[in-house]
Formats: sequence, C-alpha cells, structure tokens
Amino acid sequence: SQQGEEDPQALSIQEGENATMNCSYKTSINNLQWYRQNSGRGLVHLILIRSNEREKHSGRLRVTLDTSKKSSSLLITASRAADTASYFCATDESNDYKLSFGAGTTVTVRA
Amino acid sequence: DAGVIQSPRHEVTEMGQEVTLRCKPISGHDYLFWYRQTMMRGLELLIYFNNNVPIDDSGMPEDRFSAKMPNASFSTLKIQPSEPRDSAVYFCASSLQRTSDEQFFGPGTRLTVL
Repeated sequence: SQQGEEDPQALSIQEGENATMNCSYKTSINNLQWYRQNSGRGLVHLILIRSNEREKHSGRLRVTLDTSKKSSSLLITASRAADTASYFCATDESNDYKLSFGAGTTVTVRA
Repeated sequence: DAGVIQSPRHEVTEMGQEVTLRCKPISGHDYLFWYRQTMMRGLELLIYFNNNVPIDDSGMPEDRFSAKMPNASFSTLKIQPSEPRDSAVYFCASSLQRTSDEQFFGPGTRLTVL
C-alpha cells in the first residue's frame, strides 16, 4: 500500500519558474526520499531527508520536512525543460524499513 | 560501474507462457529489490533480498510469481503462467547497506502479456 501521497498530481510551468510539490504520509518515518523518473526510464534518487532534519538543499532542489504535519515539499527552482519528469516521494516507516512510494507528481516544463 | 542492469528491456508474450526477467545489481550492494509499476497501482514492492536471501516477499501477488538470487550479482523474477493483468514495467533496484538507503534503479522491463 502507498504510504505517501503527492500533490498535485500534475503541474505545468514555464521554463525559469519554480515548481513545488508536496508529499503527505500516514505514519512515523525514519527517512523521506525524493526520486525523479523520466519517461520510459527507471527512478533516479534526488535527495534524502532524515526525520530529525527540517530542510535540505541539493543544487536547485530544496526539500522540507514537517514531521508534525507528516508532510514534505520539494521545490525545484529556475526550472528547465530537462526537469520534465515524474517526481515521487518515498518513505520508510519507523518499524518497517521498506520504502513505500507515492503515486507521483508529473511536472511539465514548457519552453 | 554500469549501474543496475536489467534484461530484457521489452518482453511480449502470450497468456500462459513463462516469463523470466533478469537483474544484475550494482557490485557491493547488499540489498536487491523487485518492483512493479502500473498506472493503476503505481510502484509496488514485490520482494527484496539481503545478501542473496529473500527477506520479504509479502508483495508478490500470487504463487505464479517467484524470485531467486543465486549469487550476489544475479537475480531473476519468474512469472508462470503469465496473464494479461501481469502487464507492467518491472524494475530491479539495489542499495548499499539498508533497505532505507538510496536505491539505484535499473531501466526496467516492459512486459506485455497478450
């Protein structure tokens, strides 16, 4: 069963704009990860944030985690056409270390 | 390292036939995962191995599905007999030391069962 739920399901933005997507989950977690999937490809790991962290940056990516609200957000700044992909959050529950993936947010960046 | 390698990339078969999907994880990774991705159900974990030993196969949908890992560099996922509802993209992934570590995914096998 899916632990994380991404919102929105789809997002269309202009190149250069920022893209924000959210992930909500149900139970206590150890870590939360974000992955990207380009069409027809496997998932690629973007960033991992631990339950005791609140914010993390990697290049143009910024991830926040609010464990009190059981939610996370992924911000992509200054988007590029190459950012067009589906983005998934994945969580591992505190008592079960398997990753559970959400349904994903499909991001389209228009040139 | 070449990353996780999967074969075949595409498989088209007829209902009732046996299908075998193959995976070579990244060398040195202790964990190997098999996932299935469909539009309806998203990405589902089928089974995972630690040091070649199956740890959790609770995601395997039916007895028609089986997975093996005879050594650290090779794993198979077999469906026998295959059914149209098995049509999906099957991914293999590996991680270094824990199930919650960053996972490295292969390119997937797109299976179509007619």
